[in-house]
Amino acid sequence: NAGVMQNPRHLVRRRGQEARLRCSPMKGHSHVYWYRQLPEEGLKFMVYLQKENIIDESGMPKERFSAEFPKEGPSILRIQQVVRGDSAAYFCASSPALVAKNIQYFGAGTRLSVL
Amino acid sequence: DAKTTQPTSMDCAEGRAANLPCNHSTISGNEYVYWYRQIHSQGPQYIIHGLKNNETNEMASLIITEDRKSSTLILPHATLRDTAVYYCIPYNTDKLIFGTGTRLQVFP
Repeated sequence: NAGVMQNPRHLVRRRGQEARLRCSPMKGHSHVYWYRQLPEEGLKFMVYLQKENIIDESGMPKERFSAEFPKEGPSILRIQQVVRGDSAAYFCASSPALVAKNIQYFGAGTRLSVL
Repeated sequence: DAKTTQPTSMDCAEGRAANLPCNHSTISGNEYVYWYRQIHSQGPQYIIHGLKNNETNEMASLIITEDRKSSTLILPHATLRDTAVYYCIPYNTDKLIFGTGTRLQVFP
């Protein structure tokens, strides 16, 4: 059973471009979470999605950021018109169901660098 | 959300037990205590979790006080590869809230 797969592992964008980060959850997992880790800072929750639904986006910046988890295919975190402050590691996690004892498993992350 | 307090850093000799404490005095009755670690900017790795009883798995042991206000993660025989930041997280559902964690340095 493959783990949570994120791609690309590294992404370089110039200011103003768009960044698309993909996350394929573990097999059988229908819940996806995105977290961001700014340089030298801790992990911060961004958004929680189930298939085709955003459940909690309380950690998402109000502008330029969006996330989706379609019925088919990976979850996508999209950042429009990137700025240097978006440079960070973005981690995706998945879990099988919304139960307290269910574990969130993390991917290796995507390192976004904005030039 | 429950607030946690962990030592900023700890050292441990290789082969010795590492005992990492966490205070979570405001934890609610239905929140589990989860422990994760992050090894040098890799994705966080799940270690163990518990509600009331002590727990043990192949990675670690978790001791939870009877009043549930604190817990201790025990790595019985620390290795150099256990050098990481360890996070204690009260968790029910939805998002994990990572604090600053404890930076454990295992030395030879």
